[in-house]
Amino acid sequence: DAGVTQSPTHLIKTRGQQVTLRCSPKSGHDTVSWYQQALGQGPQFIFQYYEEEERQRGNFPDRFSGHQFPNYSSELNVNALLLGDSALYLCASTTGTGYGNSPLHFGNGTRLTVT
Amino acid sequence: DQQVKQNSPSLSVQEGRISILNCDYTNSMFDYFLWYKKYPAEGPTFLISISSIKDKNEDGRFTVFLNKSAKHLSLHIVPSQPGDSAVYFCAAAERFGAGTRLTVKP
Repeated sequence: DAGVTQSPTHLIKTRGQQVTLRCSPKSGHDTVSWYQQALGQGPQFIFQYYEEEERQRGNFPDRFSGHQFPNYSSELNVNALLLGDSALYLCASTTGTGYGNSPLHFGNGTRLTVT
Repeated sequence: DQQVKQNSPSLSVQEGRISILNCDYTNSMFDYFLWYKKYPAEGPTFLISISSIKDKNEDGRFTVFLNKSAKHLSLHIVPSQPGDSAVYFCAAAERFGAGTRLTVKP
């Protein structure tokens, strides 16, 4: 039973570029959330997707956008990259039964470095 | 958006003793709280949770206590083991605290 898988593992981009990160949820899960974790901080909620729609969004600018596909996999897109976007990006999945009432299953993350 | 706060960045305890990790929250609408554990180079993993209708939930060596009036919860680990050394996050409604790094010394 595959857990949450994320690709790529590491990524280096230049300021101003665009990046796409990918996530496959745990089998049986239909809800995907994305988090940004800067060094020494906790995961910061970016947004959550359910039934191919953005259901919740954290305090992130419109440069951060996402998509969920019919097979429940998801992408996170970040445009006009800034140096401050350098972080570990975590994807988490759960079932769409509630808001925060189901434990999240996390992938190992994508380490994004913006130079 | 600091709705969930963990004010202790680190905690060090001796093997066999109790570890107490604390968490405060500001949003009284939160009705479910979770603790996650994170090892280096891995994503967080779910540890234990508690509903706001309870004040205590126990799972083996792990117990979470909730004080709604104080908007405070704590995670107790008894007895602590070296393998418990990790970063622990408190969470509610997809919001996470900054984490507490627990080190259990043999």
